[in-house]
Amino acid sequence: KQEVTQIPAALSVPEGENLVLNCSFTDSAIYNLQWFRQDPGKGLTSLLLIQSSQREQTSGRLNASLDKSSGRSTLYIAASQPGDSATYLCAVTAIRGGGADGLTFGKGTHLIIQP
Amino acid sequence: NAGVTQTPKFQVLKTGQSMTLQCAQDMNHNSMYWYRQDPGMGLRLIYYSASEGTTDKGEVPNGYNVSRLNKREFSLRLESAAPSQTSVYFCASSEAGIRSPLHFGNGTRLTVT
Repeated sequence: KQEVTQIPAALSVPEGENLVLNCSFTDSAIYNLQWFRQDPGKGLTSLLLIQSSQREQTSGRLNASLDKSSGRSTLYIAASQPGDSATYLCAVTAIRGGGADGLTFGKGTHLIIQP
Repeated sequence: NAGVTQTPKFQVLKTGQSMTLQCAQDMNHNSMYWYRQDPGMGLRLIYYSASEGTTDKGEVPNGYNVSRLNKREFSLRLESAAPSQTSVYFCASSEAGIRSPLHFGNGTRLTVT
């Protein structure tokens, strides 16, 4: 069974720093990997989706990389801002099977950017 | 753009009461999902509907039923609420299964006393 781990569980950094969030998964047979952001009391917002054939995806100050063979993905946030404070979750989609139970979420990294 | 709309936002039930959580999407998506999110447990899939007219169980279906009323609407029913069902419930949709990006609603916070 796929397991997705996100380390650290919580992170607090001063504004302006570049930072990296980590996501690891146990089964490398994935179709894609998604990074989400969740603000308090809100649902998840999709940030980036990386197909298994891709190495990275970029959107503004966000860059997500994928190393399928090692079972790792990173989300790089450049020049962090207080508005980046949120919980960031990654989710991997299994190749095998077509059911929605093939989507496995990590428990998230709670990020605080100090002004 | 409304996206995925869930009602109600908050609900308090007594043990044994029933209720239906409503979800509607306006993106013409084929697939819809119900998740629950609990501290320390992450997101767990309750039921999903790959396309209109189909529903399937997820990881934690016991105590719940669903109805895919039409392409837009997917409801979740608790027939006899239990304290263990206290959670935040999220509805999500995607264009075509889990291989396309999921779009989430803002959740329903349910407390069962």
